[in-house]
Amino acid sequence: AQSVAQPEDQVNVAEGNPLTVKCTYSVSGNPYLFWYVQYPNRGLQFLLKYITGDNLVKGSYGFEAEFNKSQTSFHLKKPSALVSDSALYFCAVRDVMDTGRRALTFGSGTRLQVQP
Amino acid sequence: GAGVSQSPSNKVTEKGKDVELRCDPISGHTALYWYRQSLGQGLEFLIYFQGNSAPDKSGLPSDRFSAERTGGSVSTLTIQRTQQEDSAVYLCASTLGGTGELFFGEGSRLTVL
Repeated sequence: AQSVAQPEDQVNVAEGNPLTVKCTYSVSGNPYLFWYVQYPNRGLQFLLKYITGDNLVKGSYGFEAEFNKSQTSFHLKKPSALVSDSALYFCAVRDVMDTGRRALTFGSGTRLQVQP
Repeated sequence: GAGVSQSPSNKVTEKGKDVELRCDPISGHTALYWYRQSLGQGLEFLIYFQGNSAPDKSGLPSDRFSAERTGGSVSTLTIQRTQQEDSAVYLCASTLGGTGELFFGEGSRLTVL
């Protein structure tokens, strides 16, 4: 079985400050991990993914995420938040062993609010 | 087109009616997903098609829901005898499969009165 948890329904941060959106996962084997963003009244957009290799992954719009196998986490980070980053963020996981046989499992989402 | 296309973008129906939602994936993408999102909440997995393999239907909430994918391309999600709790945004996504990221459509917003 595979699952992903986003423990915070909402994260508030001031513009210019660093932001972190938390994600933990559970898989039987090794994970493929993804972050997606959803702006108001829009479809989901891909931000970044971890497949293998360097634990620090860089993605779109200045976002990055760090894969931590011992803590089974894949937190999303950005050094300096922008008001335009305000959106709904989803973490997703797929077990490497289940590729081609299982759907991508999404977390419940975290709403990021960046105050000016 | 270049992206995933879904139709209709909005559908209002009466309780008890059947509805069909259509998804045109990106050409060449072998995997296609349907998810449901209620009121800006999380994504609920519905069904997953991968190539010629049997679809993973484990997320369909009841036997009123069904989906097909014809010729490995276009997919139709059918909801029979709609209920008010079926009101949601239905999202379709496609991917090359494996490690590839999903490309989502804009969704079909279903409102059941």
